[in-house]
Amino acid sequence: RKEVEQDPGPFNVPEGATVAFNCTYSNSASQSFFWYRQDCRKEPKLLMSVYSSGNEDGRFTAQLNRASQYISLLIRDSKLSDSATYLCVVKLRANNLFFGTGTRLTVIP
Amino acid sequence: EPEVTQTPSHQVTQMGQEVILRCVPISNHLYFYWYRQILGQKVEFLVSFYNNEISEKSEIFDDQFSVERPDGSNFTLKIRSTKLEDSAMYFCASSGGTSGGRYNEQFFGPGTRLTVL
Repeated sequence: RKEVEQDPGPFNVPEGATVAFNCTYSNSASQSFFWYRQDCRKEPKLLMSVYSSGNEDGRFTAQLNRASQYISLLIRDSKLSDSATYLCVVKLRANNLFFGTGTRLTVIP
Repeated sequence: EPEVTQTPSHQVTQMGQEVILRCVPISNHLYFYWYRQILGQKVEFLVSFYNNEISEKSEIFDDQFSVERPDGSNFTLKIRSTKLEDSAMYFCASSGGTSGGRYNEQFFGPGTRLTVL
């Protein structure tokens, strides 16, 4: 059973579009949640932590639904520089992170 | 802005050889991690390290792997006898702690691409 599941995409959207990614996790004991982005052959970079109350950082909004074990990321006004793979990441009580396979986004001019 | 650094960026080795991958975590962080990513696959946890000992390890981290913090700044991953299937990108990460808030966040280095021939 996969700890974290994501739609692999790809999502191809025009500049300025709004795009949403979804993710589900299997372990109800999961305690912390994150979105990372990863450019081709680069390291994962932390985009934002996800809190139960939901949180926003500029054009990015993350939501967490613990009852449904569901996490989302919304990107508004997409930029060319948003093109990347978006990784849904979950942490249990212990230290290690569980990564989803990622959702690839391409923003088209 | 402080960052995690890793050397070398690319390591090519023959099957059966030992390799040591090096990392310098963010200076005030307390927890250190190794992850790997086989090409085209997801990032996978290998091991976490705190207070000079392993705090958790995955099934991947078998007896061929070891970690060490030889001094106050470096954190190393050793693979004793490399196999073809060890070819992957190896990422080091560090975090300030495991409790809630920003200390929970792990920051990744640029990775070492290991190629086993």
